[in-house]
Amino acid sequence: DAGVIQSPRHEVTEMGQEVTLRCKPISGHNSLFWYRQTMMRGLELLIYFNNNVPIDDSGMPEDRFSAKMPNASFSTLKIQPSEPRDSAVYFCASIFSPSLNGYTFGSGTRLTVV
Amino acid sequence: DAKTTQPPSMDCAEGRAANLPCNHSTISGNEYVYWYRQIHSQGPQYIIHGLKNNETNEMASLIITEDRKSSTLILPHATLRDTAVYYCIVRDTNDYKLSFGAGTTVTVRA
Repeated sequence: DAGVIQSPRHEVTEMGQEVTLRCKPISGHNSLFWYRQTMMRGLELLIYFNNNVPIDDSGMPEDRFSAKMPNASFSTLKIQPSEPRDSAVYFCASIFSPSLNGYTFGSGTRLTVV
Repeated sequence: DAKTTQPPSMDCAEGRAANLPCNHSTISGNEYVYWYRQIHSQGPQYIIHGLKNNETNEMASLIITEDRKSSTLILPHATLRDTAVYYCIVRDTNDYKLSFGAGTTVTVRA
């Protein structure tokens, strides 16, 4: 199993541009999570999908952020327009729910907005 | 709003056991204790979890006190590759959320 796959690994963009981060969860997992990590705030949950449906997006910082999961094998996190304060590492994780097993995280996307 | 308290950092000698403490004094009956670690520049990695019994797997052992208010993660023979931030997390069985605190930065020294 290739694990949770995220792309790109690194993204540098200019303020005001649209950014799209991608995630492929582990096959068979039905729950997917997007996290953001910064030095100041640590790891924060942004949004959670179950069976491709967004269940809780209360962690999404503002309307500039949106996430979709069109099918069980693909999710995107979009920031439009991007701002320098969005610079962070964004992680995707998946699990088969309602399993009590641990989440599997991807390697993350390091986003830099200049 | 992490429900756990961990020391910010600790050092460990290579080859020795590393004992990582965690306090979760407000844990409820439905909540499990999970441990993850994050090696530099990588995503968090699941280590182990338990409810009230001690647990062991190929990575570590988890010792939970009888009153469940604290636990200890044991890395039996620490290696340099175990240098990471270790997170102790309490998770309700009915709640999908993992709330990460600051964790313990463990440095294994040769």
